[in-house]
Amino acid sequence: NAGVTQTPKFQVLKTGQSMTLQCAQDMNHNSMYWYRQDPGMGLRLIYYSASEGTTDKGEVPNGYNVSRLNKREFSLRLESAAPSQTSVYFCATRGRGGGQPQHFGDGTRLSIL
Amino acid sequence: AQRVTQPEKLLSVFKGAPVELKCNYSYSGSPELFWYVQYSRQRLQLLLRHISRESIKGFTADLNKGETSFHLKKPFAQEEDSAMYYCALWPQGGSEKLVFGKGTKLTVNP
Repeated sequence: NAGVTQTPKFQVLKTGQSMTLQCAQDMNHNSMYWYRQDPGMGLRLIYYSASEGTTDKGEVPNGYNVSRLNKREFSLRLESAAPSQTSVYFCATRGRGGGQPQHFGDGTRLSIL
Repeated sequence: AQRVTQPEKLLSVFKGAPVELKCNYSYSGSPELFWYVQYSRQRLQLLLRHISRESIKGFTADLNKGETSFHLKKPFAQEEDSAMYYCALWPQGGSEKLVFGKGTKLTVNP
């Protein structure tokens, strides 16, 4: 059982380039999330999807777009990368029902020069 | 608005000493609370949740509704406990968004 799989693990981009971060889960969870993690800032929610076909903005959505392709996959796209988007990106999932925790992927380390 | 506060960004203790990582929350209802741990350059992993009242790796956390706190404690810290710790709150009532604190970096010195 892979759980939550993120690709790629590392990426270096130039300013202005575009990039899609992929997230896939085999946990049959309805909800999926994208976070960015920066030193001193903790985790900040970019976008989330409560179910297939729905997406909602989180705390820091500007500069990003998402697609919930199906129940398993939730992608994050940077249309025109900026140095301020250098960060570690985490995908997470959550099952339905009270008391359910989030499960995280290994993260994607993205550097934008 | 829901909020989770972890007042210490950094916490340093010696091996064998007790450790307490503080977490305070603001929420008017009955929250579900979690502690996550992140070892260096790894994913966040669930450490424990208040509803299960379990002890994982020697850590415990008690929900104090009067003080709106969910502090994480361990009586004897180990070097392998060095990590980033995040407290998180799940507001009940249909919200799909977990609210995270900004984290506390724990360093256990030999």
